[in-house]
Amino acid sequence: ETGVTQSPTHLIKTRGQQVTLRCSSQSGHNTVSWYQQALGQGPQFIFQYYREEENGRGNFPPRFSGLQFPNYSSELNVNALELDDSALYLCASSLQGSGNTIYFGEGSWLTVV
Amino acid sequence: GQNIDQPTEMTATEGAIVQINCTYQTSGFNGLFWYQQHAGEAPTFLSYNVLDGLEEKGRFSSFLSRSKGYSYLLLKELQMKDSASYLCAVSIINTGTASKLTFGTGTRLQVTL
Repeated sequence: ETGVTQSPTHLIKTRGQQVTLRCSSQSGHNTVSWYQQALGQGPQFIFQYYREEENGRGNFPPRFSGLQFPNYSSELNVNALELDDSALYLCASSLQGSGNTIYFGEGSWLTVV
Repeated sequence: GQNIDQPTEMTATEGAIVQINCTYQTSGFNGLFWYQQHAGEAPTFLSYNVLDGLEEKGRFSSFLSRSKGYSYLLLKELQMKDSASYLCAVSIINTGTASKLTFGTGTRLQVTL
């Protein structure tokens, strides 16, 4: 148990639809990062949120967006879903300036058909 | 750019010792993580190295050489439940004090009788 919770755990969407994934960070952690993990690959950094603002972004198009709320929880939104967006989406919470405390939630499995 | 290499697959016998190597080329190095990931599950934290040397934690040990861009994860007294993917991830300074993880593709370890 890492204290990082994600929802939903599994979902199926149709190409072109929009999806929102949610993450509650571990107590005391003020930074949330999102990763995409395709089958057989390592996780890829999407973006990070700190103090309710995007704090760095990986090589993902603008249709991937996010939010962080005052309680440090976060959302990942993906618009205009494509088949290649099918993946495990992982949320990681951490504390700014504390490099060794990065814990992952259980992930949200997204299938786009 | 960032580059992390680890073997794709390894096989070892129950009770044996196995070493999984990871080499990296990155800028803004802020530590190296090892995660274990069972099929269909999220990564779970195993170890963190930021200084050179060996960190031991029960049956698992991790080594780092920053000058060589090299790390290894050592698993002793292998058990069947150790069959999983092992992810090497380098923590890189993102912006300010924020860090992001760059992952290798993972090493799939199969433990046999």
